[in-house]
Amino acid sequence: DAKTTQPTSMDCAEGRAANLPCNHSTISGNEYVYWYRQIHSQGPQYIIHGLKNNETNEMASLIITEDRKSSTLILPHATLRDTAVYYCIVGDSWGKLQFGAGTQVVVTP
Amino acid sequence: NAGVTQTPKFRILKIGQSMTLQCAQDMNHNYMYWYRQDPGMGLKLIYYSVGAGITDKGEVPNGYNVSRSTTEDFPLRLELAAPSQTSVYFCASSPKSGVSSYEQYFGPGTRLTVT
Repeated sequence: DAKTTQPTSMDCAEGRAANLPCNHSTISGNEYVYWYRQIHSQGPQYIIHGLKNNETNEMASLIITEDRKSSTLILPHATLRDTAVYYCIVGDSWGKLQFGAGTQVVVTP
Repeated sequence: NAGVTQTPKFRILKIGQSMTLQCAQDMNHNYMYWYRQDPGMGLKLIYYSVGAGITDKGEVPNGYNVSRSTTEDFPLRLELAAPSQTSVYFCASSPKSGVSSYEQYFGPGTRLTVT
């Protein structure tokens, strides 16, 4: 079973920030939190990952709680092209990712 | 760079037939992975490789075999195809070391139907 829990779906208005929550209460000390997204049956696309600290790159920000039991992916200014399934994954440094069902994000005009 | 390429894009097999799904990457990545994705589900890891000559099982390896004779290629072999193997297959690769090794680059996928 996947080690993460995400909402099934969420809507977001274009231009607004999208905050995607993820629970991973059983994460172990050496496991990372990864975020990927999949646009309409294409191959998944890496977004960001983190261990303990908050992370930011050109696509998104990742906020990890101090106890590491949950995290939030933030898309700062959602566009229509951000409509996708977003996967929160807990995995080891070997890259063995265990995908759950993800969150279907729909960005509306 | 072409990135990760997969062939064929689509394939229909009859039950009991065999085939090889091809995967190649031109980024000199040591780590390579095979996943399958059933309709409406997330991806499941079939096999992975950390370098030429080294492979290991993932979550759902039964019915599949892999080999890694070069850094560039990581073919997936299906023996005795079954309807349960109807799925979309994704190949991925990632660099050997460093923080960037955690980013996996995925190919476009192969849609396989077994009837």
